[in-house]
Amino acid sequence: NAGVTQTPKFRVLKTGQSMTLLCAQDMNHEYMYWYRQDPGMGLRLIHYSVGEGTTAKGEVPDGYNVSRLKKQNFLLGLESAAPSQTSVYFCASRTGTVLYEQYFGPGTRLTVT
Amino acid sequence: AQKVTQAQTEISVVEKEDVTLDCVYETRDTTYYLFWYKQPPSGELVFLIRRNSFDEQNEISGRYSWNFQKSTSSFNFTITASQVVDSAVYFCALSEASFGNEKLTFGTGTRLTIIP
Repeated sequence: NAGVTQTPKFRVLKTGQSMTLLCAQDMNHEYMYWYRQDPGMGLRLIHYSVGEGTTAKGEVPDGYNVSRLKKQNFLLGLESAAPSQTSVYFCASRTGTVLYEQYFGPGTRLTVT
Repeated sequence: AQKVTQAQTEISVVEKEDVTLDCVYETRDTTYYLFWYKQPPSGELVFLIRRNSFDEQNEISGRYSWNFQKSTSSFNFTITASQVVDSAVYFCALSEASFGNEKLTFGTGTRLTIIP
């Protein structure tokens, strides 16, 4: 049982390049989330999904797109990376109700130059 | 809208001292859930505790204890006899139970440094 995994762990992009971050969970969780963590700002929600085929915007969605084609995977895309998107990105998942805690992946450190 | 405030940005204490991390929250819901997560220097986020709004009992787990007070909208975290391994960033988080609101709102975190 791997829990929540994220690919890649590190990435450096040039401004304007695109990339996709992959999050996978093997716990059959309905809900999946993408956060970014910046110094002094805690974790901010980018997008989330309440089930396969559904996505919704979080607090800071601009510049990002997501897809949830399979229940176990949640992809985060950057179409045209900007230096302001330099951050650590965390994926999380949880089971059916807000009562339960979210399980986090190890994070992806992205630098945009 | 839900909000979590962790006013203490950084705290340093000498090993074996007790330390309390403050968390104040805002919500319009009567049913909600509060969480604490730990982020050690390695970077992963580790779940510590969950508390629902109907359960105001304090909880103790080893050297950790949590004080939930609805009257002051606070959910404070105390570490007794701190150890170097407690050095981490600690996040308080809030989730409302209303349908359609599946988000977890985090505070900005408190960086705790335990000095040997």
